Amino acid sequence: DQQVKQNSPSLSVQEGRISILNCDYTNSMFDYFLWYKKYPAEGPTFLISISSIKDKNEDGRFTVFLNKSAKHLSLHIVPSQPGDSAVYFCAASANTNAGKSTFGDGTTLTVKP
Amino acid sequence: GAGVSQSPRYKVAKRGQDVALRCDPISGHVSLFWYQQALGQGPEFLTYFQNEAQLDKSGLPSDRFFAERPEGSVSTLKIQRTQQEDSAVYLCASSLEEWAYNEQFFGPGTRLTVL
Repeated sequence: DQQVKQNSPSLSVQEGRISILNCDYTNSMFDYFLWYKKYPAEGPTFLISISSIKDKNEDGRFTVFLNKSAKHLSLHIVPSQPGDSAVYFCAASANTNAGKSTFGDGTTLTVKP
Repeated sequence: GAGVSQSPRYKVAKRGQDVALRCDPISGHVSLFWYQQALGQGPEFLTYFQNEAQLDKSGLPSDRFFAERPEGSVSTLKIQRTQQEDSAVYLCASSLEEWAYNEQFFGPGTRLTVL
């Protein structure tokens, strides 16, 4: 049973437009969420996070929204740039199991010039 | 400064062979994590260390998998009697503090292929 799901394996957007990547989770104990970005042959790198006490966190072009009642979060990238083309992973952690992060399977974003 | 490094980057093993994968975390980082990433999937948690203590090994798939971090810095993931299903990228990550709430810094991974 996959507790963190990224239902869109891929997304293609035009440079300058908004990219929206989605993530759903099933475990109500999750209270901290992170997004990681991964280029080929490299490890994931941290992008942005959000605590369950918030519903929005913004960092430059990146904004994460959290809807706890729907157990859904999304990452918005505005404006999208070709260098944003990568695989994006959503990850979730629970205070009761602080050592462990559960990852989704990723969404491959392609930003076309 | 130096990031997380892993060696070897690529490892080919014959089925039944033992392998050892090394992780050098960022200096001073308390937490160290191992993940297994199969093709087309996200990283899957294997085990977690806080300094030298292995606090969670619930993700290790079988007793053929063993991890250690004896001095609270370098860690080794050992897989005994490798099987074809062990083929994956093994990622190591470290974090400055104890909690997974902190961002994890990942190494480039070791790609293990078992023939």
